[in-house]
Amino acid sequence: RKEVEQDPGPFNVPEGATVAFNCTYSNSASQSFFWYRQDCRKEPKLLMSVYSSGNEDGRFTAQLNRASQYISLLIRDSKLSDSATYLCVVSPLGGGYNKLIFGAGTRLAVHP
Amino acid sequence: GAGVSQTPSNKVTEKGKYVELRCDPISGHTALYWYRQSLGQGPEFLIYFQGTGAADDSGLPNDRFFAVRPEGSVSTLKIQRTERGDSAVYLCASSLDSDTQYFGPGTRLTVL
Repeated sequence: RKEVEQDPGPFNVPEGATVAFNCTYSNSASQSFFWYRQDCRKEPKLLMSVYSSGNEDGRFTAQLNRASQYISLLIRDSKLSDSATYLCVVSPLGGGYNKLIFGAGTRLAVHP
Repeated sequence: GAGVSQTPSNKVTEKGKYVELRCDPISGHTALYWYRQSLGQGPEFLIYFQGTGAADDSGLPNDRFFAVRPEGSVSTLKIQRTERGDSAVYLCASSLDSDTQYFGPGTRLTVL
């Protein structure tokens, strides 16, 4: 079983739609959680960190449920520019560094 | 300012050959990471440097893989006796201590 599991998609949605991605992780000792965005043939870039209290950044909302070991990302009012692969990431944050464990990613395609 | 840079951007080699991949981290970043990303997968952790020393090399797949960071800045990932299964994008990331990791554009390695 993979440490971080995501629905690979693709999610094909029209502009303006709301879309939600889910992710589960197996290591209950994980301490830090993130969503990264990766455009085709580009490097991953941090989209947002995820906290137990939930956090929002503009049209993006992330939630963490530690009891269920479940992470979500909600994108409201989708734009064409949101088309990318969204990577769910966890880290043990042990020893003072972040060894990132990535899911395989969920592909999003926003169409006009 | 300048981000993480990696050279070469593409490398094609033959099975059994030796390759070196270079990473220039963001100036002043003490932590440096190597990841490997196969098609359709998320990046997979290989090795982490804090300064000059490899603090965690648990992700290196076997003893054909080796990495150095002799002066605590530039790092080189070395792969001996390459195999077709080594074909992937090799990503380097750097961070200031345990802060956000910034990824380079990667080196796409193809082993024929």
